[in-house]
Amino acid sequence: AQTVTQSQPEMSVQEAETVTLSCTYDTSESDYYLFWYKQPPSRQMILVIRQEAYKQQNATENRFSVNFQKAAKSFSLKISDSQLGDAAMYFCAYREYNNNDMRFGAGTRLTVKP
Amino acid sequence: ETGVTQTPRHLVMGMTNKKSLKCEQHLGHNAMYWYKQSAKKPLELMFVYNFKEQTENNSVPSRFSPECPNSSHLFLHLHTLQPEDSALYLCASSQDRLGTGRRTEAFFGQGTRLTVV
Repeated sequence: AQTVTQSQPEMSVQEAETVTLSCTYDTSESDYYLFWYKQPPSRQMILVIRQEAYKQQNATENRFSVNFQKAAKSFSLKISDSQLGDAAMYFCAYREYNNNDMRFGAGTRLTVKP
Repeated sequence: ETGVTQTPRHLVMGMTNKKSLKCEQHLGHNAMYWYKQSAKKPLELMFVYNFKEQTENNSVPSRFSPECPNSSHLFLHLHTLQPEDSALYLCASSQDRLGTGRRTEAFFGQGTRLTVV
């Protein structure tokens, strides 16, 4: 089974600063999708950004961007200009190209300091 | 609002009770999931339904029984649960037929916080 590892249980960032959350994964597949989800205290899991493995270009969504290193099986999330509303649990997730089975990491709790 | 609605939001039940969790999606998706989220553990995939057919059962105890009457509704029937089953149960949906350019991510409901006493 594919595994997703988030080695940072907790991270903290100053408001307006930049923070990077790490994620590595293990797979023997060449085609797959990677995601970052945000789970605020409301418990709603919200998609932040996604990356298709066949694309070399790193995905970007406003203040959120990823550093996708396919050979290293690394998929980090960078949050620029951090805002108080960014405080949440962040989960990295993996999904095979033709499989609905989505696997999640253990999560990183991000605190944003004013 | 993600288009996935779960009820109830909170549930407290005794170990001898029978209850059901409900999930409804309004996104036209044809794959639905149950996940279990326990404290300090990764989300655990419990069940997957594609086109109303169960395609995955990750060694979930039989005291959890899923039901998918149609592509829009998913239930999780609970009976004789244990205190360690207390967790947040998340429902999600997505579109099958990957590789067609369609959205591939899962959309989640807000979860049911289950406490077994």
